[in-house]
Amino acid sequence: NAGVTQTPKFQVLKTGQSMTLQCAQDMNHNSMYWYRQDPGMGLRLIYYSASEGTTDKGEVPNGYNVSRLNKREFSLRLESAAPSQTSVYFCASSPRGSESYEQYFGPGTRLTVT
Amino acid sequence: AQTVTQSQPEMSVQEAETVTLSCTYDTSENNYYLFWYKQPPSRQMILVIRQEAYKQQNATENRFSVNFQKAAKSFSLKISDSQLGDTAMYFCAFQERGTYKYIFGTGTRLKVLA
Repeated sequence: NAGVTQTPKFQVLKTGQSMTLQCAQDMNHNSMYWYRQDPGMGLRLIYYSASEGTTDKGEVPNGYNVSRLNKREFSLRLESAAPSQTSVYFCASSPRGSESYEQYFGPGTRLTVT
Repeated sequence: AQTVTQSQPEMSVQEAETVTLSCTYDTSENNYYLFWYKQPPSRQMILVIRQEAYKQQNATENRFSVNFQKAAKSFSLKISDSQLGDTAMYFCAFQERGTYKYIFGTGTRLKVLA
């Protein structure tokens, strides 16, 4: 039981390049989330998926797109990377999300955009 | 909009001592949940403790307890008998009941000194 996994762990991009961050969970959770963590700003929600087939914007969605490929997988895409997107990205999942269920976090992806 | 404030960016405590981390929040809602998450240097975030707003009794998990003051909108975390493994960033988080979104504070970096 791996929990929440993320790939890659580290990535360096040049401005304008695109990439997809992958996230998968093996806990049969309904809800999945993408956050970014920046120094002094805590975690901010980018997008979330309440259930398979649905996605919604969070606090900071500009410059990102997401795909809930199936119940297990939730990917985050940067179409044209910008230095402001340099951050640590965390994926999380939750059994139901709208009740007080714990969120389970992945190990994170450190992204640098030069 | 809800906000979560952690006013102590960094704290330190001697091993075996007790430390209290502060968190205040702002909401007009009556039904919500509050959480403390721990992020060790390895980066993977884990839940420490959870409090339902409708419960008057403060939550306790082994050495971790909270002081939940609903009227004051305060939710502090007390760590008793601090251990070196408690060294981490601690995040306070808020979730309105019936929604999927967490609101995180900016975190408190705790260092336990030998």
